[in-house]
Amino acid sequence: GAGVSQSPSNKVTEKGKDVELRCDPISGHTALYWYRQSLGQGLEFLIYFQGNSAPDKSGLPSDRFSAERTGGSVSTLTIQRTQQEDSAVYLCASNRIGQGGYNEQFFGPGTRLTVL
Amino acid sequence: GQNIDQPTEMTATEGAIVQINCTYQTSGFNGLFWYQQHAGEAPTFLSYNVLDGLEEKGRFSSFLSRSKGYSYLLLKELQMKDSASYLCAVWGSGGGNKLTFGTGTQLKVEL
Repeated sequence: GAGVSQSPSNKVTEKGKDVELRCDPISGHTALYWYRQSLGQGLEFLIYFQGNSAPDKSGLPSDRFSAERTGGSVSTLTIQRTQQEDSAVYLCASNRIGQGGYNEQFFGPGTRLTVL
Repeated sequence: GQNIDQPTEMTATEGAIVQINCTYQTSGFNGLFWYQQHAGEAPTFLSYNVLDGLEEKGRFSSFLSRSKGYSYLLLKELQMKDSASYLCAVWGSGGGNKLTFGTGTQLKVEL
């Protein structure tokens, strides 16, 4: 597609429920990133996928968070047993590592998650 | 740890020049990015510096000093539409390819 797309754009859920957030990166981009942005805060790195390499999960805040990337394209971020502190905008970004000389990341519009 | 600092807020006048500073202390460094983020929207790329010096791109310029762990974003001929959050991000902080972001500087442009 023309850009990174994410769905849903908004998600309201009840505490304790599981949620799945989806990211479609730009076609051909081998790297995919998930970030979280809480109200008034900067972006917090969550997880990074690069090709077939093991993902960098160093930013995941707890074992309730997991992500997968199927076929090197679409990615799903899953949050189990959601808590109110999980409320944030979840942003996905992609880029093509190794080409163009630098690591400009292209961001999707984000999913605004509200946990009641 | 990784530390990236920016002022929280700045206010400037339409038509003026504003400089937004960013200081960083990180264990790895492959370059520094500036992103612009309007409220409710995704961040959009503004600039990238990996070598010391000034990179100019239209009304926006970005400066880097690696020895001082310092960067700034310079916005000239400010327009009302420049009111946004400006995010400083270090590539390669802590190793790997992720970006580590500062908390952002909220710029308000007034008449």
